[in-house]
Amino acid sequence: GESVGLHLPTLSVQEGDNSIINCAYSNSASDYFIWYKQESGKGPQFIIDIRSNMDKRQGQRVTVLLNKTVKHLSLQIAATQPGDSAVYFCAENSGGYQKVTFGIGTKLQVIP
Amino acid sequence: NAGVTQTPKFRILKIGQSMTLQCAQDMNHNYMYWYRQDPGMGLKLIYYSVGAGITDKGEVPNGYNVSRSTTEDFPLRLELAAPSQTSVYFCASSYPAEEAFFGQGTRLTVV
Repeated sequence: GESVGLHLPTLSVQEGDNSIINCAYSNSASDYFIWYKQESGKGPQFIIDIRSNMDKRQGQRVTVLLNKTVKHLSLQIAATQPGDSAVYFCAENSGGYQKVTFGIGTKLQVIP
Repeated sequence: NAGVTQTPKFRILKIGQSMTLQCAQDMNHNYMYWYRQDPGMGLKLIYYSVGAGITDKGEVPNGYNVSRSTTEDFPLRLELAAPSQTSVYFCASSYPAEEAFFGQGTRLTVV
């Protein structure tokens, strides 16, 4: 989804619990999706990606799920740690001109 | 590995002044992007480039200009700075259909 000028939603999670961050994307032609993590004062960093021919991909402690029917993407973080506190953005690439469009972002707060 | 390097890290401009934000990448990426991020908000695309000599507008191009004379460099020019341009600016680069690598950002204040 594109940023619509709203302030970032916040998700608060107890340390050790699993986190689920959701993202609705806008372009049904998008074929590549990426999750980024942005720590305070830093640029976004790549976490995990998924292509449109898949519906699930797992990394270390993270899983991305893609539902193309409803244009929905989610990031699951297992056993959330204080170091996971950050803003998480989903991004989509549509095939033609490869322009990366970012979602609005979600701020994850981990409660010790 | 330098990755994406942005300069300066911080800058204060007076209204009406101009400046160029520098961005360089050493990964031989075709694609480069400029985003702005207002406090507590998401990233908005200003301009992007798919290769040397090719640039295109993003969501919020007004008040900015770019050029791409080399693969490595993608400077962003602000002419006649306005308070609405107070923001953090991020440059990024990528290969086609791959993840983008971001610089550390330039924090700009227009007073």
